[in-house]
Amino acid sequence: DARVTQTPRHKVTEMGQEVTMRCQPILGHNTVFWYRQTMMQGLELLAYFRNRAPLDDSGMPKDRFSAEMPDATLATLKIQPSEPRDSAVYFCASGLGLGVYNQPQHFGDGTRLSIL
Amino acid sequence: SQKIEQNSEALNIQEGKTATLTCNYTNYSPAYLQWYRQDPGRGPVFLLLIRENEKEKRKERLKVTFDTTLKQSLFHITASQPADSATYLCALDINNAGNMLTFGGGTRLMVKP
Repeated sequence: DARVTQTPRHKVTEMGQEVTMRCQPILGHNTVFWYRQTMMQGLELLAYFRNRAPLDDSGMPKDRFSAEMPDATLATLKIQPSEPRDSAVYFCASGLGLGVYNQPQHFGDGTRLSIL
Repeated sequence: SQKIEQNSEALNIQEGKTATLTCNYTNYSPAYLQWYRQDPGRGPVFLLLIRENEKEKRKERLKVTFDTTLKQSLFHITASQPADSATYLCALDINNAGNMLTFGGGTRLMVKP
């Protein structure tokens, strides 16, 4: 069974440190998404890539967050500098973008981030 | 204000009964709606997709309805089992821009033996 792989699964670090989260999408999928999940806000879309090109990052705080896809097998989400309010579970998902009626998204198991 | 509403209170039902979860949305005309299941410590897992021209969709013990007039989707699990206990999320593409999903807050389902 193909799966989206995220690393690390857990990360605890101090405020001000740089955090890098990685995602390996399912081979052949052309869309990649980054989400953040908290109890208060639920699941929020941060960034969206199609064919490795960023299409939407309006949900992402631009001053400290950045998302990239160096190649088709790796997506990264960086926070610099990190703040306690960034503590959340970050999910990566991939899918096949085929127009309006798109295929489902396949999620990884997330990175649980705690900023002290 | 929340754009997609799901009952935030947990739904507790007895094993064997039918669970019905609700997803309401306002001000959108989505081309399709999706339902996902999320277990603690795991990512959401896709269950069903229903398009705007489909009134109902079934998959094994699952049934989803989509009423574009009421702006509501209902998610049913028949003959529920304790293994069905999880949080269920609905999601839709509010911009019909292609694959950018907005999720509801989810409803936690507890099926008691």
